[in-house]
Amino acid sequence: DTAVSQTPKYLVTQMGNDKSIKCEQNLGHDTMYWYKQDSKKFLKIMFSYNNKELIINETVPNRFSPKSPDKAHLNLHINSLELGDSAVYFCASSQDSGPWSTEAFFGQGTRLTVV
Amino acid sequence: DQQVKQNSPSLSVQEGRISILNCDYTNSMFDYFLWYKKYPAEGPTFLISISSIKDKNEDGRFTVFLNKSAKHLSLHIVPSQPGDSAVYFCAASASYNTDKLIFGTGTRLQVFP
Repeated sequence: DTAVSQTPKYLVTQMGNDKSIKCEQNLGHDTMYWYKQDSKKFLKIMFSYNNKELIINETVPNRFSPKSPDKAHLNLHINSLELGDSAVYFCASSQDSGPWSTEAFFGQGTRLTVV
Repeated sequence: DQQVKQNSPSLSVQEGRISILNCDYTNSMFDYFLWYKKYPAEGPTFLISISSIKDKNEDGRFTVFLNKSAKHLSLHIVPSQPGDSAVYFCAASASYNTDKLIFGTGTRLQVFP
């Protein structure tokens, strides 16, 4: 019974394609995130949604568009994929019930390879 | 500009000994710190945290120490076990922006028998 699940686990696609990564959490959390782990293992936040509302939108290309149909889902759509988009993308959620409640639960990651 | 740094990419420790993982930060506004553990092909899992009002937090074999003046924290694992072999990420946040966790690059810990 996975708390935060992302699909697909692996994604290989050609440059220029459009792809989506789905994320669902069954924890009842209010906040969901997308993180990108690059080749240097650096985990960087991309987006944060709280109750379907965008809270954080870091400096990512506008080819990346998060979509939150409800607070249990946060999907990541990427247009016109580029080689540099190859990375592992992690979805996460947290309860967000105060300044000391920032522990996040992570999905297993989606390894995106753009060829 | 890397605000959270883990300068040791890897660490190798014998089973039963102490593992010490270090983390430095530059942003003085950070007031909450977390350690995550990550196995291959899995997402990071929360391990232990500490707020800036404390200098030590202990949970079983895991203890995190915070030195605010040095902007340094460390994770101690005693005794180390082979199952502790994983990548450990340090993360930090500021109370004015609790949704945003800033991660270090991780330290790979290997515990050998």
